[in-house]
Amino acid sequence: KAGVTQTPRYLIKTRGQQVTLSCSPISGHRSVSWYQQTPGQGLQFLFEYFSETQRNKGNFPGRFSGRQFSNSRSEMNVSTLELGDSALYLCASSGNSGQHYEQYFGPGTRLTVT
Amino acid sequence: GQNIDQPTEMTATEGAIVQINCTYQTSGFNGLFWYQQHAGEAPTFLSYNVLDGLEEKGRFSSFLSRSKGYSYLLLKELQMKDSASYLCAVRRQTGANNLFFGTGTRLTVIP
Repeated sequence: KAGVTQTPRYLIKTRGQQVTLSCSPISGHRSVSWYQQTPGQGLQFLFEYFSETQRNKGNFPGRFSGRQFSNSRSEMNVSTLELGDSALYLCASSGNSGQHYEQYFGPGTRLTVT
Repeated sequence: GQNIDQPTEMTATEGAIVQINCTYQTSGFNGLFWYQQHAGEAPTFLSYNVLDGLEEKGRFSSFLSRSKGYSYLLLKELQMKDSASYLCAVRRQTGANNLFFGTGTRLTVIP
């Protein structure tokens, strides 16, 4: 079974630009969660999508948004990029929401904002 | 406030046993996870505890005490490949895959 895939793997953007990251979950998984990982803050939850609906949202500004498609693939968008948005963005898929299923993480997208 | 505390770094010798502690204070609790993350790679699932006690899986064991807000990950027969960051994470509510992570413990295994 193929794992979680994320594209692109690396991205360099300039302050003020916007960016879209993509995540394809494991086949059959309907829950996709997004996390931001930085050296100082560790992994921080952004949002979770399940069956095309946002189920949970972390404490990030409205510049961070996401969506999920009918095939469970998910995208996250960051508008008006700031230097502090430089981070590794990880998505994780799970077999179901509400159960104690483990989350399987993708390799991440390394975003650098200059 | 909500917090998860883990030691920042630990060093242990190949073949030895190491215990990585995690204490948490969260607004809700519905299970505690341990993940392993090698440098430059994605986190991988190690263990899950929702009830008090010890869960053993090969060389790795995880313990939970809900009344104390405390967990530990025990790694036995350490190997060089165990050098990685170990992340403690709490699921604060049912019906959610929004894990609250600690900042992780970087373990270095030396010969």
